[in-house]
Amino acid sequence: EDKVVQSPLSLVVHEGDTVTLNCSYEVTNFRSLLWYKQEKKAPTFLFMLTSSGIEKKSGRLSSILDKKELFSILNITATQTGDSAIYLCAAGNTGANSKLTFGKGITLSVRP
Amino acid sequence: NAGVMQNPRHLVRRRGQEARLRCSPMKGHSHVYWYRQLPEEGLKFMVYLQKENIIDESGMPKERFSAEFPKEGPSILRIQQVVRGDSAAYFCASSVDRQREAFFGQGTRLTVV
Repeated sequence: EDKVVQSPLSLVVHEGDTVTLNCSYEVTNFRSLLWYKQEKKAPTFLFMLTSSGIEKKSGRLSSILDKKELFSILNITATQTGDSAIYLCAAGNTGANSKLTFGKGITLSVRP
Repeated sequence: NAGVMQNPRHLVRRRGQEARLRCSPMKGHSHVYWYRQLPEEGLKFMVYLQKENIIDESGMPKERFSAEFPKEGPSILRIQQVVRGDSAAYFCASSVDRQREAFFGQGTRLTVV
């Protein structure tokens, strides 16, 4: 069965800190790794990664994928209180259903 | 370009009633996915549809649950004879094709009383 594991489950930091969120996966016919940010509403798309070693960046957020070791990390630098959310990692496969298998999420709290 | 629209946002049903959840994908998207999120759990895949076709329903309970995505109109997730265990947040996502990123709606929170 496909599986995605995120760690840590929760994290409390202070504004200005840098955080690293981890995601490991075991997915048959892996195709892509996606990160979403979920506040009290829709999961918001952050990144989709398909190739190893190529960092994707968006402002203070960046992410990278290691297909050999089967993991990805999401980095957030100079954290702000608005970064407080649940960060979801999901792995997609190449099958016809192209379903995403999600981890349970990492709850990040950024204190002022 | 409006995002994925789901309605209602909140739905309360008594045990035994039917629940109908609607999802309008983003403009230009013909691939729709439904996910369920239980408290303290991650999002779980339920069903993947394209216009008028169910591609994969391997995540759907065998009984009481059905989904459709007609040629015209929104995708519908229907739950018949709801039970307390159906209480969850149901999210719909859409993509332009199955290899591209999926964008999520704000979800429908179903409460069965």
